Amino acid sequence: GAVVSQHPSWVICKSGTSVKIECRSLDFQATTMFWYRQFPKQSLMLMATSNEGSKATYEQGVEKDKFLINHASLTLSTLTVTSAHPEDSSFYICSAERDRSYNEQFFGPGTRLTVL
Amino acid sequence: GESVGLHLPTLSVQEGDNSIINCAYSNSASDYFIWYKQESGKGPQFIIDIRSNMDKRQGQRVTVLLNKTVKHLSLQIAATQPGDSAVYFCAENPRTGKLIFGQGTTLQVKP
Repeated sequence: GAVVSQHPSWVICKSGTSVKIECRSLDFQATTMFWYRQFPKQSLMLMATSNEGSKATYEQGVEKDKFLINHASLTLSTLTVTSAHPEDSSFYICSAERDRSYNEQFFGPGTRLTVL
Repeated sequence: GESVGLHLPTLSVQEGDNSIINCAYSNSASDYFIWYKQESGKGPQFIIDIRSNMDKRQGQRVTVLLNKTVKHLSLQIAATQPGDSAVYFCAENPRTGKLIFGQGTTLQVKP
């Protein structure tokens, strides 16, 4: 159990376009999902907390209008990178929280975004 | 962000030896700890967890030790195999609704 999927696994886009990344919990319901960004050889950087049925909570320094998050159901959260630029190129990873009391998170396989 | 963006330390071990990866956590209020394994180009994979009311927990070939006095967590991997080569992250739950991740340790297994 505790499987989280992400789609797409990689995407290449032109500068100025928008890209949507999906995160799904396949075998459990997740009221809360998280979006992380990871640079090469570094740890995970939390971008935002996605709450089903309400607005996402963004970490300091993360632009809300740039990284749109929607958590429309208990198994799906989406991250849209709007007007992408080369500096947005990164590895984006989502996680889903299975046990709220312990913040037990299971991660998706990640999405490699390359903006040309 | 909560994580530290530094170059990852590396632990190099011989195949078949035991590995010990250490982690110092930051918040004495944290009550839950997780070890994740991340292979290149993939998302972190849950390995083992431990709650603060325990000081040791064993899984298949892995053991996690928790020392709350000095806020230290360790992951022991028995009979390390080439497939264990990856980056290992510890994470703590300080009961703020989000996990805090350590900087990670790269484990290299030499054949």
